[in-house]
Amino acid sequence: GAVVSQHPSRVICKSGTSVKIECRSLDFQATTMFWYRQFPKKSLMLMATSNEGSKATYEQGVEKDKFLINHASLTLSTLTVTSAHPEDSSFYICSARDLATDTQYFGPGTRLTVL
Amino acid sequence: EDQVTQSPEALRLQEGESSSLNCSYTVSGLRGLFWYRQDPGKGPEFLFTLYSAGEEKEKERLKATLTKKESFLHITAPKPEDSATYLCAAPHGSSNTGKLIFGQGTTLQVKP
Repeated sequence: GAVVSQHPSRVICKSGTSVKIECRSLDFQATTMFWYRQFPKKSLMLMATSNEGSKATYEQGVEKDKFLINHASLTLSTLTVTSAHPEDSSFYICSARDLATDTQYFGPGTRLTVL
Repeated sequence: EDQVTQSPEALRLQEGESSSLNCSYTVSGLRGLFWYRQDPGKGPEFLFTLYSAGEEKEKERLKATLTKKESFLHITAPKPEDSATYLCAAPHGSSNTGKLIFGQGTTLQVKP
């Protein structure tokens, strides 16, 4: 089956620093990737759609200057949380859309803790 | 408005006790109904895609079915390792962005 990886799986940082999370599709090319945030015992909240070679599309209420997304290749998208604060602590999950099956495959997630 | 609703929110079963999870949807021009399994602290794992009413798919103890208004995930003789949150999702009907609308999930606990 299609595999999506995320790195790092867990990160702890100090308030005010920036954190970069990588999302890679390992065995298929993904022109579209998605970034989600998940709060405890809640469903997935879509943050943005990342399109290869173009600007990301952000959902309403998501600060694009705070959550920088880059999709530089067909297998890699990155999410940078800039000037992180404790309220940014969360579980971040990416997914990649496999056009051959029109199916989203998810990464294992990144647990971000901001002190 | 496109919507996906799952029920029940939580389900407790004894090992071997079969049951069904429900996913009802109102999406114009449905282009697939997806089922995922999510374990705590992990990303969702793809299970099935259903495209048309009457379609069924099976994987081990799980069988997914689709009608024009809802989908069911049947769990036959569940084992404790089937404990997880099950999510269903459908693509937004009005565009081909690939964005999914997720239900709130059903958290299944299977006791030995």
